[in-house]
Amino acid sequence: LAKTTQPISMDSYEGQEVNITCSHNNIATNDYITWYQQFPSQGPRFIIQGYKTKVTNEVASLFIPADRKSSTLSLPRVSLSDTAVYYCLVGGGNRDDKIIFGKGTRLHILP
Amino acid sequence: DTEVTQTPKHLVMGMTNKKSLKCEQHMGHRAMYWYKQKAKKPPELMFVYSYEKLSINESVPSRFSPECPNSSLLNLHLHALQPEDSALYLCASSQDGTSGSGETQYFGPGTRLLVL
Repeated sequence: LAKTTQPISMDSYEGQEVNITCSHNNIATNDYITWYQQFPSQGPRFIIQGYKTKVTNEVASLFIPADRKSSTLSLPRVSLSDTAVYYCLVGGGNRDDKIIFGKGTRLHILP
Repeated sequence: DTEVTQTPKHLVMGMTNKKSLKCEQHMGHRAMYWYKQKAKKPPELMFVYSYEKLSINESVPSRFSPECPNSSLLNLHLHALQPEDSALYLCASSQDGTSGSGETQYFGPGTRLLVL
């Protein structure tokens, strides 16, 4: 399973666009990149998943460069309610992949 | 319905008690998971069931005993726990468990366990 590295924490302000980058240098050919959001005392919530280039949904965008060694989660116009921990997971090539949540990024949105 | 429910929400138990955590989903998923999460740490995978069969046990101590009575239900039986087992226990489900972290997992709210 590809190891992931994310910033430990980030601060931003309401209304700003926030970009969180995840490094995964040894991503395998069949691996997907998946992001989850977790609020305190709640289970993680799926945000977005991608394989290459760009994926967008109603919540976020995911940018993946051609070499796939990193990915960037983009949250447009954040609000205070986006304060949470964001986890990047890489894997999914096969059933035996270990499912490992990295340390995550604590995003703190300021008014 | 994309909800995973867990009961109880909170549980306090002594080290000699036997208790069970319950998890239920009605999304037709065939894979279910137990995770343990300590404060300010990421979730750690404990067990995975795929088609009601235990497919992954991440070297979890035997005082934790999972059970999957059917594809919608998942239990975690607890016996002779230690204070360091106090944590948030999360249940999740996904399509069928054949694609590891590539499958979208739907998590429940967790059970907050305190072992005295």
